[in-house]
Amino acid sequence: QKEVEQDPGPLSVPEGAIVSLNCTYSNSAFQYFMWYRQYSRKGPELLMYTYSSGNKEDGRFTAQVDKSSKYISLFIRDSQPSDSATYLCAMSMNRDDKIIFGKGTRLHILP
Amino acid sequence: EPEVTQTPSHQVTQMGQEVILRCVPISNHLYFYWYRQILGQKVEFLVSFYNNEISEKSEIFDDQFSVERPDGSNFTLKIRSTKLEDSAMYFCASSAAVGMTQYFGPGTRLLVL
Repeated sequence: QKEVEQDPGPLSVPEGAIVSLNCTYSNSAFQYFMWYRQYSRKGPELLMYTYSSGNKEDGRFTAQVDKSSKYISLFIRDSQPSDSATYLCAMSMNRDDKIIFGKGTRLHILP
Repeated sequence: EPEVTQTPSHQVTQMGQEVILRCVPISNHLYFYWYRQILGQKVEFLVSFYNNEISEKSEIFDDQFSVERPDGSNFTLKIRSTKLEDSAMYFCASSAAVGMTQYFGPGTRLLVL
């Protein structure tokens, strides 16, 4: 079983829709969970960070972590064409440790 | 806003040649990382560096790789004898302290022919 699994997409949704992205993982030792956004030919940019289980909201973005199911989600409300990018889930055991990334989901927001 | 910078943005080299990828981390950051992303694959951890020594390295980071902080601002990744499979995007990242967010640079696209 792969350590972090993420559907690569592409996922196409109309502008204004709610987007749901998710990842599953196998290692219960992961404690820190992140979502990065990566535009074409750019480095990953941190969007959201959560520790352990729970929800975190930042503007149009909400991150959810369910450690019992080993499942994390990112929701984007009122999606915009500028949200079109690849979204990478990522996790680590301690915040200073190496980050383990998912493969990324390519998201297209259609105007 | 402070950012991590990397040079060059693109590098083409012949198999067997040495390459040095350069990074300037955010100025007050103390922890430095290299990751790579082969086309169509995951971003993979290579190495972490703190206090002028390697903290952790992955199995990818074999003897052909080395890292150095030659001065107070640069952080370099050297590949001694490049192989075709080293072709990838290489990202540098830095963080301010233990438990702080890692910020990524824009990457260097390395192509080994």
